[in-house]
Amino acid sequence: AQSVAQPEDQVNVAEGNPLTVKCTYSVSGNPYLFWYVQYPNRGLQFLLKYITGDNLVKGSYGFEAEFNKSQTSFHLKKPSALVSDSALYFCAVRDRAGTALIFGKGTTLSVSS
Amino acid sequence: GAGVSQSPRYKVAKRGQDVALRCDPISGHVSLFWYQQALGQGPEFLTYFQNEAQLDKSGLPSDRFFAERPEGSVSTLKIQRTQQEDSAVYLCASSLEDRAADTQYFGPGTRLTVL
Repeated sequence: AQSVAQPEDQVNVAEGNPLTVKCTYSVSGNPYLFWYVQYPNRGLQFLLKYITGDNLVKGSYGFEAEFNKSQTSFHLKKPSALVSDSALYFCAVRDRAGTALIFGKGTTLSVSS
Repeated sequence: GAGVSQSPRYKVAKRGQDVALRCDPISGHVSLFWYQQALGQGPEFLTYFQNEAQLDKSGLPSDRFFAERPEGSVSTLKIQRTQQEDSAVYLCASSLEDRAADTQYFGPGTRLTVL
């Protein structure tokens, strides 16, 4: 069965420091991987996705993610965090024959000034 | 351009009432998805449409849940005889094509509270 794990419920980082939000997945075959961000009382906003090719994917708002097939990971990163990055982040996976996105439980990112 | 819209944004129902939740996908998007997001959890898949055809309803939790997309655009998720465990945010998403790599764009959700 497909699954996504986000091992940290919360990540705290100071503004200007680099941030990492972790994600590991379990899916048969080669997956498609996604990151979404959710602000309070709003829907999910797409950040970036990995389809194929370069393992480093760049997305919106300066975020990037690195696909590591051997470790089955797709960690979200940003070189310099902003207070406005504080939100709930979801990693999701979809296998190539699948319909639905399978989401992790989410990680709350808190950036302090 | 306009994104996915959902209405109502908030719905309070008494246990046993029927509710209908509406989704307007991005114009021209072939695929439409419904997800349920319980408090503190990630979204969970309910059902999927390709145009007007409901191709996957494996995530619907019971036969009280019913979805339709009769003209291949607007979709309605109906919940009959609501129960307290139905309380959640219901998210709709659409994507341009019917490919697994396509990005799903989400609406703001409808928060359903069943008393």
